[in-house]
Amino acid sequence: GAGVSQSPSNKVTEKGKDVELRCDPISGHTALYWYRQRLGQGLEFLIYFQGNSAPDKSGLPSDRFSAERTGESVSTLTIQRTQQEDSAVYLCASSLPPLGRSAKNIQYFGAGTRLSVL
Amino acid sequence: GNSVTQMEGPVTLSEEAFLTINCTYTATGYPSLFWYVQYPGEGLQLLLKATKADDKGSNKGFEATYRKETTSFHLEKGSVQVSDSAVYFCALSPYNFNKFYFGSGTKLNVKP
Repeated sequence: GAGVSQSPSNKVTEKGKDVELRCDPISGHTALYWYRQRLGQGLEFLIYFQGNSAPDKSGLPSDRFSAERTGESVSTLTIQRTQQEDSAVYLCASSLPPLGRSAKNIQYFGAGTRLSVL
Repeated sequence: GNSVTQMEGPVTLSEEAFLTINCTYTATGYPSLFWYVQYPGEGLQLLLKATKADDKGSNKGFEATYRKETTSFHLEKGSVQVSDSAVYFCALSPYNFNKFYFGSGTKLNVKP
């Protein structure tokens, strides 16, 4: 089926506003990841969902960041009271459940949401 | 801890030149190693992977060998094409696959 879909593709907001980013994973992919990619830098892990297990939130940079996922479907990343330092591309990826050293442990990425905070 | 270090770019090569992009890692246990590629305007996509020491991942003419003794996973291609111009990311995933750690990316520009 379709790949990982993210929306919006671009978002411009004013400092202090809240934003919500959406990720539609590949059907059947129980694992979902959010990353942040600042200009010229690598991917920074934010949060990881695996099925109905408690998410790994260890990468969230502050309590202004939160993410939700209902079951194995859509996830939303919310940034409250945005700051200029939040400007980045936010990437979502999904994969099948971890199965040891299996060829199925491949992440499929969306095209990302480019967030600009003015 | 886990981390990935890769050479800074941009790397500019002429078509048909030999490519090497260095990647070294630090990891607990025995991670799996990956190279992802991001073409302009597109999302990241897996290029190749290796899951244990001495494995060689290969795809589209690119190769990388998992070297445990040097903790490296350098990306090579014998003859690059203009269409290979992209940003390349080295990444690792620890044995439990709960997280992926990415390098900062290396931009490759191939000129005709």
